[in-house]
Amino acid sequence: QSVLTQPPSVSGAPGQRVTISCTGSSSNIGAGYDVHWYQQLPGTAPKLLIYTNSNRPSGVPDRFSGSKSGTSASLAITGLQAEDEADYYCQSYDSSLSGDVVFGGGTKLTVL
Amino acid sequence: QVTLRESGPALVKPTQTLTLTCTFSGFSLSTSEMCVSWIRQPPGKALEWLARIDWDDDKYYSTSLKTRLTISKDTSKNQVVLTMTNMDPVDTATYYCARMGTSRNWFDPWGQGTLVTVSS
Repeated sequence: QSVLTQPPSVSGAPGQRVTISCTGSSSNIGAGYDVHWYQQLPGTAPKLLIYTNSNRPSGVPDRFSGSKSGTSASLAITGLQAEDEADYYCQSYDSSLSGDVVFGGGTKLTVL
Repeated sequence: QVTLRESGPALVKPTQTLTLTCTFSGFSLSTSEMCVSWIRQPPGKALEWLARIDWDDDKYYSTSLKTRLTISKDTSKNQVVLTMTNMDPVDTATYYCARMGTSRNWFDPWGQGTLVTVSS
């Protein structure tokens, strides 16, 4: 069981908007730790998608955006494309685990 | 261009010790604030952070696995080594190394990963 909770799956049609939630607690996201997001295409290594809650690395389309509020964070994808079909993971830190890095359980995005 | 590549045995027996090497280029672990972490992912499951080593040789371990893990670096060879003792079939996973920073505390980039199977 992951410290950060994500929905196991989400889906949307091409062109639609989807959001993926990442719910934590007062010892991780709620404690002020930043949230980062990764995209893992099938059979490949994770790739940084969003860092420090809402920042996109160079080369990541602006269709991807992140936000954080209270004990939760969200990843939004607009203008859904077939190539967005992947697993998405959130990551933060947890003070109850001596500052360990913690990941969400991952969300499988299916483009219908 | 920053790259990382993991290497090690594809198959280990239960109770054996696993030794993995991360060879990187495009940055130096002697540069202030640079770090390298190890992360693993069992087949079909989520990511799990294992350990981190910093430019100044500070080391951090997963609370749940710290008794089994040792991380070290060879700055001259641009390598980071992870050892995990007493391997068990539940440790079967793809093991990744990734660069991070002490203030830029996200993982970017990641190596391609190496699949380690624990079986007799």
